[in-house]
Formats: sequence, structure tokens, C-alpha cells
Amino acid sequence: IVLTQSPVTLSLSPGERATLSCRASQSVSSHLAWYQQKPGQAPRLLIYEASNRATGIPARFSGSGSGTDFTLTISSLEPEDFAVYYCQQRSGWPTFGQGTKVEIK
Amino acid sequence: EVQLVESGGGLVQPGGSLRLSCAASGFTFSSHPMNWVRQAPGKGLEWLSYISSRTNTIYYADSVKGRFIISRDNAKNSLYLQMNSLRAEDTAVYYCARDAMTTDVADYWGQGTLVTVSS
Repeated sequence: IVLTQSPVTLSLSPGERATLSCRASQSVSSHLAWYQQKPGQAPRLLIYEASNRATGIPARFSGSGSGTDFTLTISSLEPEDFAVYYCQQRSGWPTFGQGTKVEIK
Repeated sequence: EVQLVESGGGLVQPGGSLRLSCAASGFTFSSHPMNWVRQAPGKGLEWLSYISSRTNTIYYADSVKGRFIISRDNAKNSLYLQMNSLRAEDTAVYYCARDAMTTDVADYWGQGTLVTVSS
């Protein structure tokens, strides 16, 4: 299952809303997660099963979608949110999207 | 606090072998499936291998099948990855990652260990 993320890069200012997209080549039901990765760090789980926030994740992060189209929304960007975001499916053999970099405008 | 600490990375020649370890603490290791995931320099994430809590289910990505072996020792709270016939394209940071008990999601990751395959 191929996951395609868009856009590749998102240039936004702190306080703005970020909307990241992940499209699957076939249905993954709701078996989709979102991870955040900062330079030199391991990925951090944000969202699992499409819309469930992981432990300790702020409410400004939300996930939605099912089937083949998914969205990660960051309602108001904080300085620490500028990072690369990956979607990942566990419907079949686990695969990741290529990532979306959220950078400071 | 959940902790996963990888070790065993380093420089190895093409065709060589390396064994990675992941020491787990802060949770009941024997209750959780575990995984290895890698990330080549400047690239995305690649899932390599999965092992169930009692070792009865093991999966490998096609890219490493027949060359890498995942194992675990629940008595030692440790996960391993034996890597044989290494290639330049295996150069990457290797992460161990814990699966949650109730859902198929990797909820905690180690900091990673760098493997460089070069002559």
C-alpha cells in the first residue's frame, strides 16, 4: 500500500493552521497513524487509528479520515511544531508516506 | 517511564555482519510486540521487521528477508536484529519501536543507532 503525502513542504507562520494530507493507494480502513519527527530525533506518535490522539499529545493536533483519504490538522502552530510529519498505515505490511515538512515562513 | 535504548551500530564493510540490540525498561516487555524500523540519511522511514510478544509471529520486509533475523529475550527485556550480508543501501539509523498492546501502532521509539556499510 503506497501512501502519498501532500504537500511536500508547508510554509506557515506560528499561530496559523496547518492541514496535511495523506492518501492511500487502497483502503486502509482507519488503520492510519501520524508521527512527528524533528532533526536528530526519533519519530513521535501523534495520532493512531486515524483520529485518536496519543498520550500527552496536545489538543491542537487532530486527525480525520478513513478509507483512502486522511488529514492531520494542527489548529494553531506553536514554534515546537515545525518538523517533518509522516503518515503510516498498518492495514497491510506497514508503510510510511514520504513526509511533509512544516517549515517556518 | 518507557525507555528503549539501541546499541551495536557502527561501521561495517559490505558483506559483513552486525548485531543490534534494544534494551527495554519502564514497561512489561514480554507483553508487547516489537519492531525494527530504519531511516537512511536524509530519507524517509522504512519498516523492517516485526516480532510478536511471544515470538510466534515474525515478519520481514522484502528488502531484508533472508539477510536479517529479529529475535527477543523476554527474560532480559531485550530485542535484537542480526544483520548479515550487509550492503551499502543498508546504511541508516535503525530504530526499535514498541507496539501498543491493544492496537497495531508503534507508540514508543528508541533514539536509534547508526549503521554505516562502507569499504
